[in-house]
Amino acid sequence: AQSVTQPDIHITVSEGASLELRCNYSYGATPYLFWYVQSPGQGLQLLLKYFSGDTLVQGIKGFEAEFKRSQSSFNLRKPSVHWSDAAEYFCAVGPFTGGGNKLTFGTGTQLKVEL
Amino acid sequence: DVKVTQSSRYLVKRTGEKVFLECVQDMDHENMFWYRQDPGLGLRLIYFSYDVKMKEKGDIPEGYSVSREKKERFSLILESASTNQTSMYLCASSWGGPQETQYFGPGTRLLVL
Repeated sequence: AQSVTQPDIHITVSEGASLELRCNYSYGATPYLFWYVQSPGQGLQLLLKYFSGDTLVQGIKGFEAEFKRSQSSFNLRKPSVHWSDAAEYFCAVGPFTGGGNKLTFGTGTQLKVEL
Repeated sequence: DVKVTQSSRYLVKRTGEKVFLECVQDMDHENMFWYRQDPGLGLRLIYFSYDVKMKEKGDIPEGYSVSREKKERFSLILESASTNQTSMYLCASSWGGPQETQYFGPGTRLLVL
């Protein structure tokens, strides 16, 4: 069965510092990988996704992620964090066996930004 | 912009009540989803629908049912609400295909007393 692990429940960084959020997945075939962000009191918004091609993908808000098949990882990075990046971040993998675009989500990483 | 709306942001119900959560999307998406979000557990799929009147169970369908009579509307029904169904409920919609983005509503925070 497919699964997603986000090993860091909480991360605190200073504004202007770099950020890396970890995501490891278990999937039997070529995965489709997503990062979503949830700001307080809001639904989830897509940051970026990978399904083929260049393994370094660029997203919105200055985020990027790198797919590493050998490590089964899809870590999210940002070179300089802004206070407005404080939110919860979810990694997701799909699709479920049988098709469609059902996703399996990780448990999330809560990012706190210190000013 | 894609818009996914949910009928209530906050809802308080009593144990045993029948609860309806409504979700509407304005992009003619084929797929619609209901998730439950709990701290430390992330998002878990309750049900999804890939067409009108079609539905499939997700990871945690017990205690829930769904209805999709029109393409734009997907309802989640708690037949007899219980306290362990207190949670945040998120609706999403997307085009078909595994690479498609899911667009989420703002969520309904349900408290069952």
